[in-house]
Amino acid sequence: DVKVTQSSRYLVKRTGEKVFLECVQDMDHENMFWYRQDPGLGLRLIYFSYDVKMKEKGDIPEGYSVSREKKERFSLILESASTNQTSMYLCASSPGTEEKLFFGSGTQLSVL
Amino acid sequence: GQNIDQPTEMTATEGAIVQINCTYQTSGFNGLFWYQQHAGEAPTFLSYNVLDGLEEKGRFSSFLSRSKGYSYLLLKELQMKDSASYLCAVPIRGYNKLIFGAGTRLAVHP
Repeated sequence: DVKVTQSSRYLVKRTGEKVFLECVQDMDHENMFWYRQDPGLGLRLIYFSYDVKMKEKGDIPEGYSVSREKKERFSLILESASTNQTSMYLCASSPGTEEKLFFGSGTQLSVL
Repeated sequence: GQNIDQPTEMTATEGAIVQINCTYQTSGFNGLFWYQQHAGEAPTFLSYNVLDGLEEKGRFSSFLSRSKGYSYLLLKELQMKDSASYLCAVPIRGYNKLIFGAGTRLAVHP
């Protein structure tokens, strides 16, 4: 089975802190994604990557950046955390174009 | 632009049948996914429809009409463990990403 691992299940950070969310997949998938999920809004795409060192903005990239130095690892960075970035963050991977996503278990981030 | 609509909440009785609808407007449609998400957990894949018609997979079936921009997920013989959110999603043609609806929260009662 594909395993997508997110480094933290719960995180509490302070406004202005730099926050790193890590995601690792073990199935050599080309594509990796970061979504955030908020009640009533569903999953919204922040950034995705289709290859090492490649990244593309999703629908809500403002306030975030990403890094993909190795194929298996995709990091989401909040440069200066704000309270409106309190959310559930879900990482996902897929083997190719228009194929199903495999999700990590999520990181619930609270910014105080 | 892309738009996906689902009902926000539904309730049903254990042992019954429930149909969860999804309508979409996208450019370059190429299939529709359904995911299940239990509270506090990651979404898990249920089905992928690319051709019109009904696809059955055990107690769950998914239907697609491309001409109408419409899909539904049919859950039979409901069990308490089917209480979850059900998300429909469409891939954006030529891109490796899915656009999700807001999800339908299903509550199954005894």
